[in-house]
Amino acid sequence: QAQLVQSGAEVKKPGASVKVSCKASEYRFIAYYIYWVRQAPGQGLEWMGWLNPNSGVTNYAQKFQDRVTMTRDTSINTVYMEVSRLRSDDTAVYYCARAGYGLLHGMDVWGQGTTVTVSS
Amino acid sequence: QSVLTQPPSVSAAPGQKVTISCSGSSSNIGSNSVSWYQQVPGTAPKLLIYDNNKRPSGIPDRFSGSKSGTSATLGITGLQTGDEADYYCGTWDISLSPWVFGGGTKLTVL
Repeated sequence: QAQLVQSGAEVKKPGASVKVSCKASEYRFIAYYIYWVRQAPGQGLEWMGWLNPNSGVTNYAQKFQDRVTMTRDTSINTVYMEVSRLRSDDTAVYYCARAGYGLLHGMDVWGQGTTVTVSS
Repeated sequence: QSVLTQPPSVSAAPGQKVTISCSGSSSNIGSNSVSWYQQVPGTAPKLLIYDNNKRPSGIPDRFSGSKSGTSATLGITGLQTGDEADYYCGTWDISLSPWVFGGGTKLTVL
């Protein structure tokens, strides 16, 4: 069964960076896009961007264009999402999710989420 | 303010049916397929419906989806207490950041 396993919780100071990993298993890693979605405490889901694990091509939401970088390492079936210049309002749970039915058709497998807390 | 509009909350009794609406525009729902997600608090979202009305393997047929024009609807029949969760719609938007979600709807099974 396809699975995404994310790295553990992080606590960062404002202005720092955080890098979250998402390791895929039990499916062909390069065959499916990966989305990143975040959820601030008590809030809804917010799409951050996607990455094509085969080519490394990315597409970021406009509000994250200058602070988010998504990369992958195909040798270990892992996708990374780094957020720089962290602010308190970046405190959220960050999810990776697979586009299992094609890029624009929904996210069928989700990671367990990584809590990132930004606090001085 | 979400691009896709959902009611903040809905409620119904066990065994009853409920519908959750998702209203958008011609740049999103009107021209692209909709997916629906269930999120029990403290857990990751789960895909219920993709391509407007298709269910992934393992999702019971109590869950259904439909789309008409610039709106989509999630239906749940035979409500169970385990259906209490937040429900989100999502789709591609050709004019904004490509993927957008609704604000979410909290379902209470009374």
